[in-house]
Formats: sequence, structure tokens, C-alpha cells
Amino acid sequence: AQSVTQPDIHITVSEGASLELRCNYSYGATPYLFWYVQSPGQGLQLLLKYFSGDTLVQGIKGFEAEFKRSQSSFNLRKPSVHWSDAAEYFCAVGAGNAGNMLTFGGGTRLMVKP
Amino acid sequence: DAGITQSPRHKVTETGTPVTLRCHQTENHRYMYWYRQDPGHGLRLIHYSYGVKDTDKGEVSDGYSVSRSKTEDFLLTLESATSSQTSVYFCAISDGPLTHTFGSGTRLTVV
Repeated sequence: AQSVTQPDIHITVSEGASLELRCNYSYGATPYLFWYVQSPGQGLQLLLKYFSGDTLVQGIKGFEAEFKRSQSSFNLRKPSVHWSDAAEYFCAVGAGNAGNMLTFGGGTRLMVKP
Repeated sequence: DAGITQSPRHKVTETGTPVTLRCHQTENHRYMYWYRQDPGHGLRLIHYSYGVKDTDKGEVSDGYSVSRSKTEDFLLTLESATSSQTSVYFCAISDGPLTHTFGSGTRLTVV
């Protein structure tokens, strides 16, 4: 069975600083990987996804993520954080099986200091 | 999100009462899902549907049942609510492969 670990429960960065959120997955085959963002009181919005091909994927809002098979990681990055990026971020892995379901990590809450 | 609505948005219920949450989509997507969100656990799959009348269990299905009699509606029922089912419930839809679109959630409190 697949699993996802987000080692950092909370992260605080200063506005304008760079950001990296860690995600490690466990899955026997090539995974389908996702990052979602959730603002307070809202549903989840897809930031980006990796299915195959180029291991560096670009998403919305200036985010990118890099798939590293050797490290079983899919870390999310942003070069310069804005106050509006404060939210909770979830990494997810999908198996592409009959149910098309996702397994989520526990989430990382990002706080942005002015 | 456009195309997927959950009702109610908030509900407080008493222990032992039945509760039904509704998810409605206008996208004609094949797959529909119910997840629950709890601090530190991310989202965990309760049940999912891969077509009308076709459903299956997820990771945390005990105490929950679902029904899908029409493509657009997916109902989640707590037969006898317990305090451990206090959570935020999210519905999601997918037309494959895997990319989910989420509803705005239902906050359920069982007292």
C-alpha cells in the first residue's frame, strides 16, 4: 500500500524568502504525485501534479516541485513567498488503480512572517 | 469549487442519531469520493464510487455507508453518529486519471 510522509507539521518563513516543503512517498511502482493547497475554511486546490516525463513540474501561483525517484521525494518549492501563501499544503500519491484514489500526507501548515 | 457542492456546510448532531451528507456534481464525472480530514492525518478515504450503484470501501469506512443512485449525487450516511466522527468531510470528483476536484467541505460536530 502507498503512503505519504510530510515531515514538517509547521513551517514559518519570512515574506520574500524561499520555501521548500518536503514530501516522501512509499509506493512500489511509478507514482502519480500531487500537491494541494488548502486555505482556512476552504476545500483543496490542486497546485501541480506529476505523472511522467520531466521531473521538474511547474504549477500555479509560482510553485514548482521536483520528483526524485532515488529519494522517493516530491518536494514543493517557491523562490519567493507571499503573505497570501499562508495555508496548509498536502502532498498526495495515487496508484492509478481501479478506484483512482489518492493517499494524502498529514499536511504542512505554512505561516508567513511580514 | 464550481461543479461540486456539498450540503450541509455545517451540522451539529447528537450521538446516536443518523446523519446524511450530500455531494452533488454537475461535471458528469465517473468517480466520486468521500474523505474525512482530521488534524495530523491529512485526508483519509472513507468510501468511493466508480459509477452509479458501484461503490467500495476506503481506509476508514467503519460506521459509514454510501449510496449513488444517480451520476450526480453521492450520499454519505453515518448510521449512528459517534463523537469520533466529528470531523470535516470532503467530497471529491474525478474523471481520471486521479486528479481530484474537491468540494468546500462539511464540518460535522457530534455532541
